[in-house]
Formats: sequence, structure tokens, C-alpha cells
Amino acid sequence: GAVVSQHPSWVICKSGTSVKIECRSLDFQATTMFWYRQFPKQSLMLMATSNEGSKATYEQGVEKDKFLINHASLTLSTLTVTSAHPEDSSFYICSAGDRGRTTDTQYFGPGTRLTVL
Amino acid sequence: QKEVEQNSGPLSVPEGAIASLNCTYSDRGSQSFFWYRQYSGKSPELIMSIYSNGDKEDGRFTAQLNKASQYVSLLIRDSQPSDSATYLCAVMGADSGYSTLTFGKGTMLLVSP
Repeated sequence: GAVVSQHPSWVICKSGTSVKIECRSLDFQATTMFWYRQFPKQSLMLMATSNEGSKATYEQGVEKDKFLINHASLTLSTLTVTSAHPEDSSFYICSAGDRGRTTDTQYFGPGTRLTVL
Repeated sequence: QKEVEQNSGPLSVPEGAIASLNCTYSDRGSQSFFWYRQYSGKSPELIMSIYSNGDKEDGRFTAQLNKASQYVSLLIRDSQPSDSATYLCAVMGADSGYSTLTFGKGTMLLVSP
């Protein structure tokens, strides 16, 4: 149980284009989903937190107009990197909290590796 | 600014030995503590969670928490080459009604056959 999927697993795009990443909780309802970014040899940095049906809360320094997050249902959240540039190349990972559990465990998706040329 | 500190390593141990991984955190109000394992190029995988002072054992893994010292550790007994990975310590607080995780930079563990 508690499986989270991400799509695509990797994407290469040209500078200036937009890229959408999907995060799905497959066997549970996720009240809260989190989006992280990880640069090589760095730790995971939280970008934003979203609750189903409400606006995302972005961490300091993360541009909300550049990283659009939609959490339209209890099983799906999307991150859209708008007008991507090479410095946005990174490993993007989502996680989801299971509303059916009493603990605050986050379950991570497999990640999406974005390369912007 | 909440901080989670880990020695980056690498920590090298021979197969069968005990590996000891340490983590300190700055936010005294933190309530939940997690250890994740991350293989190169993969996303983190939850190993252990611990919420109260003392030890918690799960198979070959033991997590230890000392809130007074703001210290969390993970012991891996009978280390195997497959345990070679980066181990991330994560601490959860409560901000604005959401439970967010703050990660350390991770400790790389190398288990030699």
C-alpha cells in the first residue's frame, strides 16, 4: 500500500517551454501533497505544499508564477514548470500524506528528472 | 530557519559490521523524525520513523531519539553491500497547519564485501 507514481520519469525540453509533471497516489487518498527539488549531491528542498482544492503554499524563494501547482483531486497533483531554463534542470520529487493513517508519514514518488537544454 | 545536520561521509564499514548514522536538528519543537534511504538517481524510501525518546527497532535497523540533545541516530546491524546508499534524516514540524519535512543533506554509507 501507499504507492505514489510520477509521470514522466524523465523529460528533456528546450529552454522557454513548459513542462507538466503529474503525481498520483494510487491506493490512498492524499489530503496533502508536497513537491521537492533535488540538485546533484544536495538534499531535498521543499518547494511547495498543496491541499486538495486549495492554493499551494510555496516556500520562501520559490516563484509561484513559475512553478504552478494544481491539486484538483485527492489522488492527483500537478507541477508545471513554466518557461523552463537550464537552471531549472533538477530532480523533482513529489510526496503524499495518507489521510487514512494516524502518523504523519509522507510517501514519495519515484521522481522526475528534468533536463532543460 | 530550521536546520538538520548530518555528516556527509562517506561512512565506510565492512560487511557484517554495525553502521552508525547521526543527525542533529535545530528546532526544539520538532515532533516527528524519519530516516530515509536514497539510492543514486532514485527517490527516498522510508526506513524508520520515531516519535518519542528512546530506541525503536525494526529488523536490522534501530532508530534512537534524544529530544533533550536534539539528536537522532540510526544503527544498521549486520550491514550488507545492498545497504550502500545515502541516508537522509528528516524532521517534521508543524507550520501553518501543514506538516512539512526538513531534510538533512544525507550521509553516504559504503558497505564493502
